[in-house]
Amino acid sequence: DTGVSQNPRHKITKRGQNVTFRCDPISEHNRLYWYRQTLGQGPEFLTYFQNEAQLEKSRLLSDRFSAERPKGSFSTLEIQRTEQGDSAMYLCASSPVGTAVEEYFGPGTRLTVL
Amino acid sequence: SQQGEEDPQALSIQEGENATMNCSYKTSINNLQWYRQNSGRGLVHLILIRSNEREKHSGRLRVTLDTSKKSSSLLITASRAADTASYFCATDENAGGTSYGKLTFGQGTILTVHP
Repeated sequence: DTGVSQNPRHKITKRGQNVTFRCDPISEHNRLYWYRQTLGQGPEFLTYFQNEAQLEKSRLLSDRFSAERPKGSFSTLEIQRTEQGDSAMYLCASSPVGTAVEEYFGPGTRLTVL
Repeated sequence: SQQGEEDPQALSIQEGENATMNCSYKTSINNLQWYRQNSGRGLVHLILIRSNEREKHSGRLRVTLDTSKKSSSLLITASRAADTASYFCATDENAGGTSYGKLTFGQGTILTVHP
């Protein structure tokens, strides 16, 4: 399978715990994006990488959130001290660098914070 | 904040009918894209239209873009039950002509096609 993969697909955690999600983009794609989607809403941009550099972070990404993309390959998104409001679908997408390119989305990780 | 706003929020039609969804946005854009999402799944790219294009076709899909009105429409012709999904428009904002691929999505239109 050469698409974008995300793990785990589902995560249930208790409030206050830390969680980490992984995204493996399409191998030749330089750009990697994280979005968050709550029920009934469209995805909201969180952050993106070009190769290993994190180029932009949304103000939605509080200090409890951190993302990395070591070596410009896979990426991780960590949420520390989870809150019930963090419950959402976390989507990862990748794309090649270009002026108008489509993004390829993974299946998402659904986080439930109890 | 959501830039793209889809209209209608929900659309229910019979198989074989056409479905039209509209999207409005607020800032200048590099391009506008439409995505489909089946329940609880990831998004699938449907079509991309650049800011200097007015209409684009792909199979049963037709997209129009009116940058003067900051609006776009997606037409699905001869709909099928398998087209049942949520449809989102997403704008790639024009930051001095550079595209970063940071997409701003609308709330989506839920399309139900009855067999």
